[in-house]
Amino acid sequence: GAGVSQTPSNKVTEKGKYVELRCDPISGHTALYWYRQSLGQGPEFLIYFQGTGAADDSGLPNDRFFAVRPEGSVSTLKIQRTERGDSAVYLCASSSSQTPNEQFFGPGTRLTVL
Amino acid sequence: QKEVEQDPGPLSVPEGAIVSLNCTYSNSAFQYFMWYRQYSRKGPELLMYTYSSGNKEDGRFTAQVDKSSKYISLFIRDSQPSDSATYLCAMSTDYKLSFGAGTTVTVRA
Repeated sequence: GAGVSQTPSNKVTEKGKYVELRCDPISGHTALYWYRQSLGQGPEFLIYFQGTGAADDSGLPNDRFFAVRPEGSVSTLKIQRTERGDSAVYLCASSSSQTPNEQFFGPGTRLTVL
Repeated sequence: QKEVEQDPGPLSVPEGAIVSLNCTYSNSAFQYFMWYRQYSRKGPELLMYTYSSGNKEDGRFTAQVDKSSKYISLFIRDSQPSDSATYLCAMSTDYKLSFGAGTTVTVRA
């Protein structure tokens, strides 16, 4: 595809449930990033993948959050035991390894935890 | 104090006016400076990307970086109703972008 795609676009779940959010980066981009955007705020960094490995997961808020990228392309962000405070828009971005600051974002997944 | 400060607005201007947006920051190590545009319920779209200090122009958009003052600006000339959106500044030392909260702009026809 031409851009970063994310599924689902909206996810409503109940407190305590498990959710998975998927990101498909721009073809050829080896770097992939997850950010979280709360209402009225800018995105906040969660995790950075270079290839298959998580090069920096310092932004993950706690051990309920985990992300994988097993084949170096599609990535899945996994949230266990969801809490109401997890409600936000989860954004995925990708870039080439040569220009890591030139990040292209997907449309996001709007997560609502009831 | 946040690492990147941005006035949330809102900012309302008539069509054809110049829109002036700015951000200040505290981390002197930032070297890469970006501006993103975000329409309602959409992902951020990269508008401008600059390295270090100076000016960069792209069509109706001009980005300025003053590292000595830790201050960056975006100017939109001949603004159009389609420019109505939230504008986010972002900056980094490497790959981890630090964003401002965004300024909401409305261009009135």
